[in-house]
Amino acid sequence: EPEVTQTPSHQVTQMGQEVILRCVPISNHLYFYWYRQILGQKVEFLVSFYNNEISEKSEIFDDQFSVERPDGSNFTLKIRSTKLEDSAMYFCASLVGLNTEAFFGQGTRLTVV
Amino acid sequence: QQQVKQSPQSLIVQKGGISIINCAYENTAFDYFPWYQQFPGKGPALLIAIRPDVSEKKEGRFTISFNKSAKQFSLHIMDSQPGDSATYFCAAGGATNKLIFGTGTLLAVQP
Repeated sequence: EPEVTQTPSHQVTQMGQEVILRCVPISNHLYFYWYRQILGQKVEFLVSFYNNEISEKSEIFDDQFSVERPDGSNFTLKIRSTKLEDSAMYFCASLVGLNTEAFFGQGTRLTVV
Repeated sequence: QQQVKQSPQSLIVQKGGISIINCAYENTAFDYFPWYQQFPGKGPALLIAIRPDVSEKKEGRFTISFNKSAKQFSLHIMDSQPGDSATYFCAAGGATNKLIFGTGTLLAVQP
């Protein structure tokens, strides 16, 4: 069964450092999303991406965040200067089209120390 | 208006019992209502979803009941099993497929 894969599974970084979280969506999917889940809290939308550009972003997704699809397969989330409050699970999701099921990856646990 | 309210926060059910989780939304533009199951350390996995043109959808032991006028929907798990113990999230989506998640329900099914 096709799946969304995310790497790394866990990343520890120092405050102020840049991190890049990677996702490989399902191959024929066209819509890509990043969500985050702070420990014990709900899953929150960060950004959606379609046709090589951001379609929508939340208030959380400020100038410190960026997304990219550099090579047609990977979908990355970059945090330029991490803060302690960026510590969370980050989930990538992809859809083949609008009004279809969102498939989530296993997540990357980001710990900022 | 973008919130989805979910209750209860946690639920303990005996094996074989019925688990019921409720959600309410405000934004009438939502037209897709999925339920996700999440095990510790894993990503959310779609369990069952409904659109507002039907009032109920059943898949195996899982049923969604949808009340459009009340803007509420619920998940019923029949014959609950210990393997169903997980966190359940309701969500609501609209035209962009961005999902707004509820706060989650931690379900424990006791053997």
